[in-house]
Amino acid sequence: KAGVTQTPRYLIKTRGQQVTLSCSPISGHRSVSWYQQTPGQGLQFLFEYFSETQRNKGNFPGRFSGRQFSNSRSEMNVSTLELGDSALYLCASRLGLEAFFGQGTRLTVV
Amino acid sequence: DQQVKQNSPSLSVQEGRISILNCDYTNSMFDYFLWYKKYPAEGPTFLISISSIKDKNEDGRFTVFLNKSAKHLSLHIVPSQPGDSAVYFCAASGWEYGNKLVFGAGTILRVKS
Repeated sequence: KAGVTQTPRYLIKTRGQQVTLSCSPISGHRSVSWYQQTPGQGLQFLFEYFSETQRNKGNFPGRFSGRQFSNSRSEMNVSTLELGDSALYLCASRLGLEAFFGQGTRLTVV
Repeated sequence: DQQVKQNSPSLSVQEGRISILNCDYTNSMFDYFLWYKKYPAEGPTFLISISSIKDKNEDGRFTVFLNKSAKHLSLHIVPSQPGDSAVYFCAASGWEYGNKLVFGAGTILRVKS
């Protein structure tokens, strides 16, 4: 069974640009969550989608948005990038209570 | 406001000895707790979980203990192996909390051979 797939693995963007990250969950999993990991901050919850609807949202500015498609694949968009947005962005899919993570997308904003 | 706290940023233990990683939480709505392990450049991997109706759960070398009254849980790894060297994240969730997973900041475990 394929795991959670995130693309791209690495990304370098310039301040002010926008970026879209993609996540394909494990087959059959309808919940997809996004997290931001920065050194010393652990995993900060961005949002969760379930059946194409946002079910939960963390405390991030409106520049961070997401969506989920009918096949459960999800995208995360960050507009007007700031240097502080440089981080590892992780996607997780869930069927029950355990979350299964992808390898992440390392975003560097220069 | 950190609802899940891992107060030790790092821990170093000798191979073969016990590793004890600690986690505290503040929100009494949490009723399910998980531990994840993360290697560099990889996503976190689920290790073990415990429901609030239990106080202990074992899986091979890994045991998680939950003290609800103290809002404290710990992960014991016995015996520790060099391959256990990684970052360990504690996470909490709860039905009344929307089943959102809230993570601690992580503890770096180094197992010396």
